[in-house]
Order: sequence, then C-alpha cells, then structure tokens
Amino acid sequence: VQLVESGGGLVLPGKSLRLSCVTSGFTFQSWGMSWVRQAPGKGLEWVSSISGSDGSTYYADSVKGRFTVSRDISKSTLYLQMNSLRVDDTATYYCATPNWAFDHWGQGTLVTVSS
Amino acid sequence: SYVLTQPPSVSVAPGQTARITCEGNNIGSKSVHWSQQKPGQAPVLVVYDDRDRPSGIPERFSGSNSGNTATLTISRVEAGDEADYYCHFWERSSERWGGFGGGTKLTVL
Repeated sequence: VQLVESGGGLVLPGKSLRLSCVTSGFTFQSWGMSWVRQAPGKGLEWVSSISGSDGSTYYADSVKGRFTVSRDISKSTLYLQMNSLRVDDTATYYCATPNWAFDHWGQGTLVTVSS
Repeated sequence: SYVLTQPPSVSVAPGQTARITCEGNNIGSKSVHWSQQKPGQAPVLVVYDDRDRPSGIPERFSGSNSGNTATLTISRVEAGDEADYYCHFWERSSERWGGFGGGTKLTVL
C-alpha cells in the first residue's frame, strides 16, 4: 500500500488550495479514506473522511463549509479542496486509510497559510 | 464531541516497561488504536482493536482496554521507541470518526 500526497505550499489567507493523495496497492473504493493534519508542534487533528462504500463525506467543525473531500476511483486518488484558508489551517496534511484504523499513512504535504 | 485524555509525557529507563493511558467515558466499549510518530515522520499504527499488532510491529507492544481507560504497554523499552503516541478510534457502528487523544511524548532516559 502506498499513499503519496501533493499540492501543499505557501498560500495567502483567504485563498484556495487542492491537495491530492495518489494511492496504490489496494482496492481504492473498498477502503474509506481520511485527511488528518498536524499543526507545527501540535498533535494530530482529524479533518475529513470519505466512506469507501458509498462515498459519504464527513468534516471536522473547524473546516466544515470551507473544505471538500472527494475521490476519483478511476485514478485511485483522494482530494481535499481547501477554500477560504486561514492562518490556523497551517499544518502538514496526511491522507490515511482504512478509516477504521489508519493502518497506512502518506508522507504528508505541508500547507502554510501566511501573508 | 468525545474527549480522549492522554498524559503529556511518560519517561522510562531502557529495558523497563512503559505504560501510556488513554482515558474516555466508557472507552472500553470502543475499539481503540495506537499510533506512534517519530519526529519528522508520518504516524505508524502499532496496536489496533485494543490489543492486536499489525505485521512488523514487535511483540513488545501490547494494548488493553476496559472501563474508562485504554492502555498501551511497551515492554523492554528501547531508545528507538522514543516518540509521540496517539490513541484514536473510529465509531464503526455509525461509520464516523471517533477521536484522537492529545498525544503522549515517550522519553527513554
């Protein structure tokens, strides 16, 4: 199983960014996937999940209405569209699977929101 | 939201046993997992479903869960075990996220 995130970078407050997580080594649509972030020097924070079975989506209150999780089964890729970014969204963002245990993690991609 | 409480830090000498707790209301009714994170690295699952180990994880890592406390036990601690450890769970009944503990820094003296 491999998970490779990309799309992070430096962005101005209020702007948008889209993260990708390209996966391999498992049946993508069978496992739910999640985004987890970690602000510098802080603990792990769940951000969003998408169900494997039906694609249902879930969000932390801190990102609800601003972030959108999606997937492209044909590309075995998970996405996180992040809009209206705030300074406190600065973190390393990880994708992880399966949802029920997070047995596999990507290496993370750093998102820095700063003026 | 459901709160998981971990001690910020635990210290242990090499060769001794480290115990890291994760407290939550009736957490014994949930399937708790533990992930290890070393500086600059992604987390690694070390115990799942309270007490099972993924392949490749040493038998020195074990877990238990009852009542209001889940515990990760690391026997014969080695310098390489120094890391942050997080408890977490997924609400399988509702297929929803459960929570992360705040993390515990394990220091090997």
